[in-house]
Amino acid sequence: GDSVTQMEGPVTLSEEAFLTINCTYTATGYPSLFWYVQYPGEGLQLLLKATKADDKGSNKGFEATYRKETTSFHLEKGSVQVSDSAVYFCALRPSGSRLTFGEGTQLTVNP
Amino acid sequence: NAGVTQTPKFQVLKTGQSMTLQCAQDMNHEYMSWYRQDPGMGLRLIHYSVGAGITDQGEVPNGYNVSRSTTEDFPLRLLSAAPSQTSVYFCASSYSSSGGETQYFGPGTRLLVL
Repeated sequence: GDSVTQMEGPVTLSEEAFLTINCTYTATGYPSLFWYVQYPGEGLQLLLKATKADDKGSNKGFEATYRKETTSFHLEKGSVQVSDSAVYFCALRPSGSRLTFGEGTQLTVNP
Repeated sequence: NAGVTQTPKFQVLKTGQSMTLQCAQDMNHEYMSWYRQDPGMGLRLIHYSVGAGITDQGEVPNGYNVSRSTTEDFPLRLLSAAPSQTSVYFCASSYSSSGGETQYFGPGTRLLVL
């Protein structure tokens, strides 16, 4: 079945550091890929998405590229801020099917 | 738009009690779903609905019932609560079940079963 594997956390960085959170997936067909973010005490919000191979999703300085050849969708940001501290979820969704989430990666950014 | 709303925000139950978690959306979305979030396990799908009158089971449906009598509402029922159902529950909706459609999440209901 479909599955998503995320980089294990927690991840702790200093402000302005470079961020990478790895995400790989297993799926039949060509799913859409998503990154969701969950701030403390809140629900999940869409951060970015890509719907086909080689698409790059971007938002708020975060980027991720849909790599079909490596079945990956790694999240990157060039310079993190304290306000980026949250839990990040990678997810996939084949057309007509359900959203499957990874386990989530806790990011803490220190001043 | 209020988006996806959930009530209550927090609930404590005793084992064997029943309750209904409410979920509503005002975006005219056809697809709605319920997830539970547990530490180290991400979000797992409980039940989902592709439209009024149509529901189906997700990954972890046991102990939960749903119904979808209107497009707007998708309540989740616990008939006899168990400590294993202690979790945070999220309702979500999207325009359709198309792969690229974004799901919008409610703020969550934190449930503690003693």
